[in-house]
Amino acid sequence: QSVLTQPPSVSGAPGQRVTISCTGSSSNIGAGYDVHWYQQLPETAPKLLIYANNNRPSGVPDRFSGSKSGTSASLAITGLQAEDEADYYCQSSDSSLSAVFGGGTKLTVL
Amino acid sequence: QVQLVQSGAEVKKPGASVKISCKASGYIFTSYYMHWVRQAPGQGLEWMGIINSSGGTTSYAQKFQGRVTMTRDTSTSTVHMELSNLRYEDTAVYYCARSRFHVTADGNFDYWGQGTLVTVSS
Repeated sequence: QSVLTQPPSVSGAPGQRVTISCTGSSSNIGAGYDVHWYQQLPETAPKLLIYANNNRPSGVPDRFSGSKSGTSASLAITGLQAEDEADYYCQSSDSSLSAVFGGGTKLTVL
Repeated sequence: QVQLVQSGAEVKKPGASVKISCKASGYIFTSYYMHWVRQAPGQGLEWMGIINSSGGTTSYAQKFQGRVTMTRDTSTSTVHMELSNLRYEDTAVYYCARSRFHVTADGNFDYWGQGTLVTVSS
């Protein structure tokens, strides 16, 4: 049971836009902690995709964007490409002085 | 370039301990925190704890309190994670991951090691 809640799966056709939600509580996202997103391609380590709610590290395409409101956050991917097929995780901090993750969302490109 | 290189796969019996290493390079080791995150087969990511690479202070997730120990060696820029009293459910890939800030200051994990598979089997 993950502290942050994500849909288990989403899908979209090439070129489409998809969003992945991440729902927390008043002890983590709602407490004002930033949300970060990671992309995990099959059999590889996670990679930082979005940090501090809506910032992209160098090298991450601007097709990826993040937002946060209240106790939730979202990751949006526009112009979907086959190479975007991966697992996506949100992460925040918690008033229990720990890092917390979502359960992960598997993105399928149809 | 920043690199976190972890030690190799381990197979352990229930009740045993495992110690995994993570050697950092390409940045000032003592300027960053290091975390350990694990992923059971087919499951999501689970944060285990954090170590201050400079002072060596640690903070562990409540679930692992009493079973996990994180240490660092500044002379070799290496962090170690030891997990004791292993159970079958500890079978997972264990990752080290770097952050500039503590989790209580919105730290995120900007570089990850390649992962170390620990298998607990009798």
